[in-house]
Amino acid sequence: ETGVTQSPTHLIKTRGQQVTLRCSSQSGHNTVSWYQQALGQGPQFIFQYYREEENGRGNFPPRFSGLQFPNYSSELNVNALELDDSALYLCASSSPRTEGDTQYFGPGTRLTVL
Amino acid sequence: AQSVTQPDIHITVSEGASLELRCNYSYGATPYLFWYVQSPGQGLQLLLKYFSGDTLVQGIKGFEAEFKRSQSSFNLRKPSVHWSDAAEYFCAVGVDPSYDKVIFGPGTSLSVIP
Repeated sequence: ETGVTQSPTHLIKTRGQQVTLRCSSQSGHNTVSWYQQALGQGPQFIFQYYREEENGRGNFPPRFSGLQFPNYSSELNVNALELDDSALYLCASSSPRTEGDTQYFGPGTRLTVL
Repeated sequence: AQSVTQPDIHITVSEGASLELRCNYSYGATPYLFWYVQSPGQGLQLLLKYFSGDTLVQGIKGFEAEFKRSQSSFNLRKPSVHWSDAAEYFCAVGVDPSYDKVIFGPGTSLSVIP
């Protein structure tokens, strides 16, 4: 059983560009959540996907979008990058939601916007 | 709206000493409570969680936490700290187990003196 993986590990972009971050869920997990963690802060919930449908969204603008694929891997897309988008982006996967379910986090992608 | 505070930004303890990390939450009903640990360059790892039942929760790596409704607190404890426990610790609160409304605190950085 493999854990949650994310790619790339690090990424540098310039303001106005677009970026795609990828996440492979842990085997058997059909739910994935994305978080943004700014330096020195706790993670902030961006959105969650369940069986390829968005299932909950945090306080992030529409230029943050996502996809979940039939194999439950996921992408986070950010358009029109801003300097404040510089952060560690974490994805977490979980199995079908029942009380007591646990999220498993990937190591994150460090995005720097110049 | 729910919120989480971790009053201590940074704590330093000697190896072998006891540890208590504080967490306070604001929420009208009984929340779902979590403690996560994040080591440098790694994703978040769940230490323990409270959904209902016994208010003293045992977790991994020898950690425990106690839910105190009257104080709106969920403090993390460990009787004897190891050097490998040095990391960032995050308390989080969710309003349901579906994880689309999980709010993380700002984190407490733990340093361990040999």
